[in-house]
Amino acid sequence: KQEVTQIPAALSVPEGENLVLNCSFTDSAIYNLQWFRQDPGKGLTSLLLIQSSQREQTSGRLNASLDKSSGRSTLYIAASQPGDSATYLCAAAYNNNDMRFGAGTRLTVKP
Amino acid sequence: NAGVTQTPKFRILKIGQSMTLQCTQDMNHNYMYWYRQDPGMGLKLIYYSVGAGITDKGEVPNGYNVSRSTTEDFPLRLELAAPSQTSVYFCASSYYRQGGQPQHFGDGTRLSIL
Repeated sequence: KQEVTQIPAALSVPEGENLVLNCSFTDSAIYNLQWFRQDPGKGLTSLLLIQSSQREQTSGRLNASLDKSSGRSTLYIAASQPGDSATYLCAAAYNNNDMRFGAGTRLTVKP
Repeated sequence: NAGVTQTPKFRILKIGQSMTLQCTQDMNHNYMYWYRQDPGMGLKLIYYSVGAGITDKGEVPNGYNVSRSTTEDFPLRLELAAPSQTSVYFCASSYYRQGGQPQHFGDGTRLSIL
């Protein structure tokens, strides 16, 4: 069964810290892996998309890595800011057009 | 551009009633998706469409129906609403799947079945 797990479920850090969010997936035959941000009462915003042939993607202070062999992806946020507070979800896409989401990590960055 | 627009934003239904959740995108995207998100859970794919006239089931299709008569619109129909369908419903779209285009999401419809 294709499952995606995110650890931790919640994380609180002081402003300025670097942090890592973890995502694991049981079926390594992924098409791509995406990281999304979700603000309360809003939809999802795509942050980074890593193709199955890639190892990492970077956008500003965000860096996402992908290790298919171990079934893991990480999202690294550098120099965190209060505006980074949100829920972060990862999603694994498969060739059958299915997409499996993790439950998310709720991040709070304290000023 | 408006992106992906969902209506209504909130709705309360009685058990056994039916309704249609509307989704429209103005980005000329081929792919459209419907997800549901239960509290503390990830999103689950209900149905998706790869173009006008073509739809297919996702992980949790039971109790729902969809149609795709135009590129822009992808309505989700609930027949005989049940309490288990209380959830937040998200519509998303992407231009095409090859190359892994990111999905664009609407703000969701919060549905309660009482």
